[in-house]
Amino acid sequence: SAVISQKPSRDICQRGTSLTIQCQVDSQVTMMFWYRQQPGQSLTLIATANQGSEATYESGFVIDKFPISRPNLTFSTLTVSNMSPEDSSIYLCSVTREGALNEQFFGPGTRLTVL
Amino acid sequence: SQQGEEDPQALSIQEGENATMNCSYKTSINNLQWYRQNSGRGLVHLILIRSNEREKHSGRLRVTLDTSKKSSSLLITASRAADTASYFCCSITGNQFYFGTGTSLTVIP
Repeated sequence: SAVISQKPSRDICQRGTSLTIQCQVDSQVTMMFWYRQQPGQSLTLIATANQGSEATYESGFVIDKFPISRPNLTFSTLTVSNMSPEDSSIYLCSVTREGALNEQFFGPGTRLTVL
Repeated sequence: SQQGEEDPQALSIQEGENATMNCSYKTSINNLQWYRQNSGRGLVHLILIRSNEREKHSGRLRVTLDTSKKSSSLLITASRAADTASYFCCSITGNQFYFGTGTSLTVIP
């Protein structure tokens, strides 16, 4: 398995501000993903974080709103920019590992509340 | 949307009873997985069933897969209060993961 940490675990932010969420893995991983889970909903994939290049965004998500970095194989950040109350969600980082590409390991999530 | 559907959306049972959750998906898959999420936390992988398998067991979990109907079920036997959580199916096609809408299970002690 992979041990994943996320920081912060939760935050309360004002409208119009930005928040950067960090995801750190204890070992090198193949793929890193960022998901959003709105209250009472399932997971929606925001993007795949690519090491050393621009992230691959899913339909409905854009880089200006959710810039993502992945400078190496074990670390990624997701920024939620110019936040509004509709951005209040749990944001989850997940990874897959070489040889276990079909299993995702999830971080504990970041619970974001935008006032 | 490629998101799968799950039913029921919510399920409440007494401790010791069995819980069955169903999942339907939309495309051909490589495999299907079930995850568990305790309230407001990350997801934990429970079990994976490959597209050429029809049934799989792991402890108190039993998963079935019917690729002709594009559906799967998760059975938790002899439920415990600690099984209270949300359960999500996830169908995998290539490198694409599609999560279902989830079933919220409450096990009453």
